[in-house]
Amino acid sequence: QKEVEQNSGPLSVPEGAIASLNCTYSDRGSQSFFWYRQYSGKSPELIMFIYSNGDKEDGRFTAQLNKASQYVSLLIRDSQPSDSATYLCAAVNAGNMLTFGGGTRLMVKP
Amino acid sequence: KAGVTQTPRYLIKTRGQQVTLSCSPISGHRSVSWYQQTPGQGLQFLFEYFSETQRNKGNFPGRFSGRQFSNSRSEMNVSTLELGDSALYLCASRPEGLFDSPLHFGNGTRLTVT
Repeated sequence: QKEVEQNSGPLSVPEGAIASLNCTYSDRGSQSFFWYRQYSGKSPELIMFIYSNGDKEDGRFTAQLNKASQYVSLLIRDSQPSDSATYLCAAVNAGNMLTFGGGTRLMVKP
Repeated sequence: KAGVTQTPRYLIKTRGQQVTLSCSPISGHRSVSWYQQTPGQGLQFLFEYFSETQRNKGNFPGRFSGRQFSNSRSEMNVSTLELGDSALYLCASRPEGLFDSPLHFGNGTRLTVT
């Protein structure tokens, strides 16, 4: 079992809809979680991070963390075609090592 | 502030050769991590250096090694290249390597082994 799991997708949503991306992790000692976006042929870029249970909002993005369920999610409101990319979830484990999930490919259709 | 700089951007090598990749972190960042990205395996952690010391290491064979210099610049070396080493190698830096400190990635070095 991988430490960080994501559905590879593709997740297809219409423009203007809410895209919901999910991630589970196996290490209960994981302290913080990051969401990165990666366009094809480019390097990952940070969207946001979260380390407290609950929701954290930044513009159109909301990260949700539930440590009891070992679950992290990213909501993208008012999805745009420019949001089409692979979204990577990452967790910092107890050894302070950042491990990435396989990524979910999001397609936003005009 | 300049971002993370990786050189070269592209490399073509032959099986059995060795290769050295370079990474200059964001100014002030003392932690440098290296990742290998392939379509099948995704982003896999190679190692992290902090203040010239290897702090963490992933599950890669000893052919993969790295080092960090006093100015925080880092190099990664792969010896006896295999076809399966073809990948995008990403370097990322962060200020202190604390649990809430995000990684900032460079543009990567695309290595092709023939």
